Amino acid sequence: DAGVIQSPRHEVTEMGQEVTLRCKPISGHNSLFWYRQTMMRGLELLIYFNNNVPIDDSGMPEDRFSAKMPNASFSTLKIQPSEPRDSAVYFCASSLGGRTNSPLHFGNGTRLTVT
Amino acid sequence: AQSVAQPEDQVNVAEGNPLTVKCTYSVSGNPYLFWYVQYPNRGLQFLLKYITGDNLVKGSYGFEAEFNKSQTSFHLKKPSALVSDSALYFCAVREHEAAGNKLTFGGGTRVLVKP
Repeated sequence: DAGVIQSPRHEVTEMGQEVTLRCKPISGHNSLFWYRQTMMRGLELLIYFNNNVPIDDSGMPEDRFSAKMPNASFSTLKIQPSEPRDSAVYFCASSLGGRTNSPLHFGNGTRLTVT
Repeated sequence: AQSVAQPEDQVNVAEGNPLTVKCTYSVSGNPYLFWYVQYPNRGLQFLLKYITGDNLVKGSYGFEAEFNKSQTSFHLKKPSALVSDSALYFCAVREHEAAGNKLTFGGGTRVLVKP
């Protein structure tokens, strides 16, 4: 089991640039979550998918953020245009969905720095 | 709406002493409760969960947690702390009847175990 795989591990970009973060969930998991972690706000749920369908995107901060899950093995989180306040660690997590009690399995995150 | 509170930002304990990390929750229905641990530059790792049944739940690395419905608490405990237990600990809650696996996390408690 390779676990949840995120890429890149680190991303440094300039304000105004487009940023794309990638996630490969654990095979067989049908729920996928994007979280953001900062010192000020802690761990925030941005969006989650069940069976590739977005269920709750109420945590997406603004229209600059978008997420897709074109198939069961891949998801992206895009920020366009990026701003310095988007600097954070972004985590992807997956689990068995529905009404199971399966815990979330987290990737090691992407540390984004926007200058 | 569901919420979780971890009242202590940091807990300091000497190696070999008992460790307790506090968590209280608020949900409208029956809760599912989880503890996760985060080591530096890593994603969150699942420690244990309470779904139903015995109020004392045992998990990984010698940790356990006690569910107390009347006090709406789910404190994490370890009888004898190790220096390697130094990390960031998160409590999380999901409503029993909620669709999907959407978890709400507390703000985290940093544990420092001194030799």
